[in-house]
Amino acid sequence: DAKTTQPTSMDCAEGRAANLPCNHSTISGNEYVYWYRQIHSQGPQYIIHGLKNNETNEMASLIITEDRKSSTLILPHATLRDTAVYYCIVSLADRGSTLGRLYFGRGTQLTVWP
Amino acid sequence: NAGVTQTPKFQVLKTGQSMTLQCAQDMNHEYMSWYRQDPGMGLRLIHYSVGAGITDQGEVPNGYNVSRSTTEDFPLRLLSAAPSQTSVYFCASSSQVSHEQYFGPGTRLTVT
Repeated sequence: DAKTTQPTSMDCAEGRAANLPCNHSTISGNEYVYWYRQIHSQGPQYIIHGLKNNETNEMASLIITEDRKSSTLILPHATLRDTAVYYCIVSLADRGSTLGRLYFGRGTQLTVWP
Repeated sequence: NAGVTQTPKFQVLKTGQSMTLQCAQDMNHEYMSWYRQDPGMGLRLIHYSVGAGITDQGEVPNGYNVSRSTTEDFPLRLLSAAPSQTSVYFCASSSQVSHEQYFGPGTRLTVT
């Protein structure tokens, strides 16, 4: 079973920030938080990951609470192309890799409207 | 780099038939995985491999076989197709030193 809880759907106006929450209250100390997205029926695409600290890359920011029981993915300026299902995944990683194992939940359908 | 490639894109099988879904990657990644995705659901891990000659079961391995004779290829075999195996199948690869998994475009399989 997935170890995360996400809202089923959210929407956001184009140009505004999209904030996608994720609960992972049973996360253990050596588990990372990963975010992937799946546009239409394509293969999932990696967005970002983090362990304890907040992270930012060219796609998004990841804010992890101090107790690590929840996190938020932020798309700072959402576009129509960001419409997708967003998956929050908690996974062990060994020396920088999940060893090819990811356990997906149902994710959040984000719809960006004009 | 082509990344992760999968063939075929679409396949229709009759119950009881067997077939192999092909997956190849040209990034010299050690880890490869197979997932299935049913309508409205997230992906579920079928089998994975941490290197040539080494495979292991994921969440839903029954009815599927895998082997990894080379770093590049990771075929998924359906021994006797059942309607419950109707799904979209995704292959993925990742390296030993990266958190990122790269996914292929998927194979849409229908079993009648």
